[in-house]
Amino acid sequence: AQKITQTQPGMFVQEKEAVTLDCTYDTSDPSYGLFWYKQPSSGEMIFLIYQGSYDQQNATEGRYSLNFQKARKSANLVISASQLGDSAMYFCAMREDSGYSTLTFGKGTMLLVSP
Amino acid sequence: DAGITQSPRYKITETGRQVTLMCHQTWSHSYMFWYRQDLGHGLRLIYYSAAADITDKGEVPDGYVVSRSKTENFPLTLESATRSQTSVYFCASRAPRGASYNEQFFGPGTRLTVL
Repeated sequence: AQKITQTQPGMFVQEKEAVTLDCTYDTSDPSYGLFWYKQPSSGEMIFLIYQGSYDQQNATEGRYSLNFQKARKSANLVISASQLGDSAMYFCAMREDSGYSTLTFGKGTMLLVSP
Repeated sequence: DAGITQSPRYKITETGRQVTLMCHQTWSHSYMFWYRQDLGHGLRLIYYSAAADITDKGEVPDGYVVSRSKTENFPLTLESATRSQTSVYFCASRAPRGASYNEQFFGPGTRLTVL
């Protein structure tokens, strides 16, 4: 079974609108972390936001927020007021804190922001 | 330069040749990782290392060898390259549990083509 599922291969949004990128995860580890990374066309991996499994509040970083619903095992990324520069591939990832705590990635969602 | 670097950035080789991809980080992070990125698969973990001389297999280790004689370097070797190893390879590093535990930093990637 996949540990990280991103069901949206591609998303389209107009500039200045908000967009939600879906991510569901599967783990039995009580301690884990959830991450979102952005990969623009230039190829680098850019860290956006982190949510710990014990964090009571949803994480926010500027225009990015993580809608963490623990019971549903979802960790959706919300981008408010989309900008043209937000066009990129977005990856959700999970770190299970048992063992060496490696990251497992989803397959990604391509976001295109139109003027 | 501070950070994590990879070399070469681009490499074309032939089937059966040995290829080594280099990764160097200046933060003295104990954890280092190698991922490969392929369309439709996201990033998949090849090998990781918790410290010098400690390495372990990830999700897709077959055909790859790693070593870690120094904390700052984590080379990845394809002993006999195959076309299926054509991919973009990312190196990453992370501090052990502590202040920077929730950040995993990625190198710029190496695009490898095996003909």
